[in-house]
Amino acid sequence: DAKTTQPPSMDCAEGRAANLPCNHSTISGNEYVYWYRQIHSQGPQYIIHGLKNNETNEMASLIITEDRKSSTLILPHATLRDTAVYYCIANNFGNEKLTFGTGTRLTIIP
Amino acid sequence: ETGVTQSPTHLIKTRGQQVTLRCSSQSGHNTVSWYQQALGQGPQFIFQYYREEENGRGNFPPRFSGLQFPNYSSELNVNALELDDSALYLCASSLGQSVTGELFFGEGSRLTVL
Repeated sequence: DAKTTQPPSMDCAEGRAANLPCNHSTISGNEYVYWYRQIHSQGPQYIIHGLKNNETNEMASLIITEDRKSSTLILPHATLRDTAVYYCIANNFGNEKLTFGTGTRLTIIP
Repeated sequence: ETGVTQSPTHLIKTRGQQVTLRCSSQSGHNTVSWYQQALGQGPQFIFQYYREEENGRGNFPPRFSGLQFPNYSSELNVNALELDDSALYLCASSLGQSVTGELFFGEGSRLTVL
């Protein structure tokens, strides 16, 4: 699995868009980008994944650069409940053995 | 609410003892994975079971072992506990090569080794 790099922490004002970057410069052509988050004292929760096209679901949007070396997870209207550690993972589709890094601790400020 | 339940939620053991952690998968899921999460770190993959057979293992010693039952529930056993085994142990279930590749995690069992 390709290594991913994320900032250790970020703050975002409540109601604003939270943009979480991830660098995956060594990603291979068949590796997807997955995002999970972990709210304090809970297990990780799947958010979204993508290969090369931008993706959107009810939770978030995922923007992947054309060269696929980086991506951004966007939470369009952050709420206090979005405070969590966010993990970006590069993984072959169907490979359910995830390699987590240390993630980005996102704090939503009231 | 993921439908994955783990027990116990918290437990304390002493060095050298053995522990068994249990996981009930989401209905219909035939694959279960176990992860260890030390304080301040991301989860680390221990092993995965698919239809009662081990299907991949991370960098953990043999004293970490598991079982998956016909109803796809699972156990994680750790023998000869060490202080460094203190962690949150997470179970995740999935359909195995599912359409989304999504894992559904339980809330974990927090093990403290004294």
